[in-house]
Amino acid sequence: SQQGEEDPQALSIQEGENATMNCSYKTSINNLQWYRQNSGRGLVHLILIRSNEREKHSGRLRVTLDTSKKSSSLLITASRAADTASYFCATDAVRGSTLGRLYFGRGTQLTVWP
Amino acid sequence: DSGVTQTPKHLITATGQRVTLRCSPRSGDLSVYWYQQSLDQGLQFLIHYYNGEERAKGNILERFSAQQFPDLHSELNLSSLELGDSALYFCASSAMGGEGAFFGQGTRLTVV
Repeated sequence: SQQGEEDPQALSIQEGENATMNCSYKTSINNLQWYRQNSGRGLVHLILIRSNEREKHSGRLRVTLDTSKKSSSLLITASRAADTASYFCATDAVRGSTLGRLYFGRGTQLTVWP
Repeated sequence: DSGVTQTPKHLITATGQRVTLRCSPRSGDLSVYWYQQSLDQGLQFLIHYYNGEERAKGNILERFSAQQFPDLHSELNLSSLELGDSALYFCASSAMGGEGAFFGQGTRLTVV
């Protein structure tokens, strides 16, 4: 399977702490994307990192990519209760990717306690 | 708001029936993708359309079909519905050279 796998499956932290989620995948990729999903709602695109990039920042988000280890991490700094959601990594892993043909992992359920 | 609109939000129907889910992509996006999210299978890519043409099929059943119209909106048709088809169905759109795919809020289908 080309699917990414997130780790841990669930993470519970206090507000203000940092949250780190990891993703491993199996095949070569063009890019890797992270999404957030609040319970039963739509997926929100957080960040895309291309295979030739090693690190990317967006606000309180920091994403790293290690293509030699086929892994990525998502760091959320100074977490808030509103960050409570499921977080998914998605890889395209398809030649000639058009950004939306994605393979998703099972996600990490993040709970941030006030 | 992602700019991708899906209707209806909820759908309850009986086994054996047929339903149509509708998606309007973000303005200017030519690609539309359909996904199914269920508890046991997770998020699965179903099918991709680009500017009216089918580009790729994923784990889409033969009972399911889709199309993209000249105005770029797309419809996913699910027929001979079974209990196991109950799931969240998402549509996403993207632009060439963009920064990712953008998902609608989904249609929750319940087959009873």
